[in-house]
Amino acid sequence: AQKITQTQPGMFVQEKEAVTLDCTYDTSDPSYGLFWYKQPSSGEMIFLIYQGSYDQQNATEGRYSLNFQKARKSANLVISASQLGDSAMYFCAMREGSGSWGKLQFGAGTQVVVTP
Amino acid sequence: NAGVTQTPKFQVLKTGQSMTLQCAQDMNHNSMYWYRQDPGMGLRLIYYSASEGTTDKGEVPNGYNVSRLNKREFSLRLESAAPSQTSVYFCASRFNQETQYFGPGTRLLVL
Repeated sequence: AQKITQTQPGMFVQEKEAVTLDCTYDTSDPSYGLFWYKQPSSGEMIFLIYQGSYDQQNATEGRYSLNFQKARKSANLVISASQLGDSAMYFCAMREGSGSWGKLQFGAGTQVVVTP
Repeated sequence: NAGVTQTPKFQVLKTGQSMTLQCAQDMNHNSMYWYRQDPGMGLRLIYYSASEGTTDKGEVPNGYNVSRLNKREFSLRLESAAPSQTSVYFCASRFNQETQYFGPGTRLLVL
């Protein structure tokens, strides 16, 4: 069964606008971590933001914030003030359990294109 | 600090050939991972090494073997390459419960 679901295959956003990328997850483990990675056309995987299941506050890193709704099992990424350099594929990932040795399960990704 | 390095960057193989993908990290991380990424999909875990001297299977281990040579290096071997193994391969490493850092990837084409 798919553990991480990203329902938006692709989206366009105008420069300077905010964009929300959806991610829902499925786990029965009370301890888990949620991650977002960016993959530009050059191919590398760039870590953006992390949210632990026990974290009380939503994670923020500069222009990135994670809208964590635990009861709904969603972990949406919000990019504020989009820039042309934000054009990339974005992946949501989950680490299940504290004893999982950090193994990540990834969603299929959302392609974001930022237009001038 | 180079972070996570992978060699080679690109490789073309014929069906049945063997090769080893190399990965090294200089961050003194305990855990290392190999993932593959196929078109239109997220990364899938092939094998991982929780610490030096240990390795274990991930989601898609068939057709691969790994060696954790020392704390720095974790190699992935294809003994008899198949076209289904055409993919981009990423190595990653991790120190604590959180962030994994990825190498630049190896693009492999099996004809």
